[in-house]
Amino acid sequence: AQSVAQPEDQVNVAEGNPLTVKCTYSVSGNPYLFWYVQYPNRGLQFLLKYITGDNLVKGSYGFEAEFNKSQTSFHLKKPSALVSDSALYFCAVRDPSGYSTLTFGKGTMLLVSP
Amino acid sequence: KAGVTQTPRYLIKTRGQQVTLSCSPISGHRSVSWYQQTPGQGLQFLFEYFSETQRNKGNFPGRFSGRQFSNSRSEMNVSTLELGDSALYLCASSFGTGRVPDTQYFGPGTRLTVL
Repeated sequence: AQSVAQPEDQVNVAEGNPLTVKCTYSVSGNPYLFWYVQYPNRGLQFLLKYITGDNLVKGSYGFEAEFNKSQTSFHLKKPSALVSDSALYFCAVRDPSGYSTLTFGKGTMLLVSP
Repeated sequence: KAGVTQTPRYLIKTRGQQVTLSCSPISGHRSVSWYQQTPGQGLQFLFEYFSETQRNKGNFPGRFSGRQFSNSRSEMNVSTLELGDSALYLCASSFGTGRVPDTQYFGPGTRLTVL
């Protein structure tokens, strides 16, 4: 069965500094990976996904993610953090069977201080 | 294009009651998935419907059920509510077809509180 690990419960970064939120995955077959963000009392908003092709994926709000097959990682990055980026971030892997099912990591709270 | 909508947004029930939650997917999307989010268990997959058929199911008891209508709208039902069913229930929609995985878009969720 597929799985996702987000090793950090919380990441703290100062505004203007680069940020990284870590994610590692385990899946048989091709990895289809996603990042979502959740603001308080809201649903999940899609940020970006890796299906195939370039290892650096660009997404919404200036976020990008780097796919590394040898390290089975898919870390989320942003060159310059904003206070408004403070939220809960989820990494997910899609069911390789062809269904739409996503398996999520437990989430990482990102706190950006002014 | 309108996003995924869920009704109601908030619900308070007592143990033993049943509840029905509704989800309207993005126009053109035929796949609807349901997830339960709790502080302890995180995001867990409940089931997925595609063209009115359940095509995948998570590890939840039979008290949790769902259905999808011909217009792709979906409902989920929880019978004999337990305190542990208190959660944010999220619905997500996607086209659900093709070999290339498409993106699931989530609704705002229904916050269910069981007293």
